[in-house]
Amino acid sequence: DTGVSQDPRHKITKRGQNVTFRCDPISEHNRLYWYRQTLGQGPEFLTYFQNEAQLEKSRLLSDRFSAERPKGSFSTLEIQRTEQGDSAMYLCASSLVTGDSETQYFGPGTRLLVL
Amino acid sequence: AQTVTQSQPEMSVQEAETVTLSCTYDTSENNYYLFWYKQPPSRQMILVIRQEAYKQQNATENRFSVNFQKAAKSFSLKISDSQLGDTAMYFCAFMLGYDMRFGAGTRLTVKP
Repeated sequence: DTGVSQDPRHKITKRGQNVTFRCDPISEHNRLYWYRQTLGQGPEFLTYFQNEAQLEKSRLLSDRFSAERPKGSFSTLEIQRTEQGDSAMYLCASSLVTGDSETQYFGPGTRLLVL
Repeated sequence: AQTVTQSQPEMSVQEAETVTLSCTYDTSENNYYLFWYKQPPSRQMILVIRQEAYKQQNATENRFSVNFQKAAKSFSLKISDSQLGDTAMYFCAFMLGYDMRFGAGTRLTVKP
């Protein structure tokens, strides 16, 4: 399978715990995106990387959210001190930017439930 | 900020018939991309079709085609010969640079 993969697929945690999600993009893709999707809504942009550089992070939902892509390959999204309102699907997408053309390909998502 | 509106929360269609899903967006920019993504129940988001704003010709992918009206800021998706496997949430998306905005989605049910 050469698509975008995410791990874990499901995560249940207690309020106040930290959680970390991993995304493995399509291997030749240079951009990686994180989104949050709540029930009945479309995905909402959180942050993105161009290779290992995080070029936009102002739309991370709070300072409890952080993301890394240390070697320009896989990425992690961490939520510290989780709250019940963090319960959602967290989606990763990757793309290969060539000139002005770009199409994002999505992973299966990590569904987070905060109790 | 760019916004995307899908005014049909739910739609249904009989198998083999044609259905059109609506999408409008708001932007003052000229060079952008538009997408339709499909999200089947409990499965990942799949690209259905994309349209470059600078192209006047409407994009087509097999049974899927779009009606892109740039002046009206409208981007509808037509599904011909609907199949049971087309049952899914359909999201319209607008992309400018790295920024992709999604509509709230239309839940399409194809009935046998």
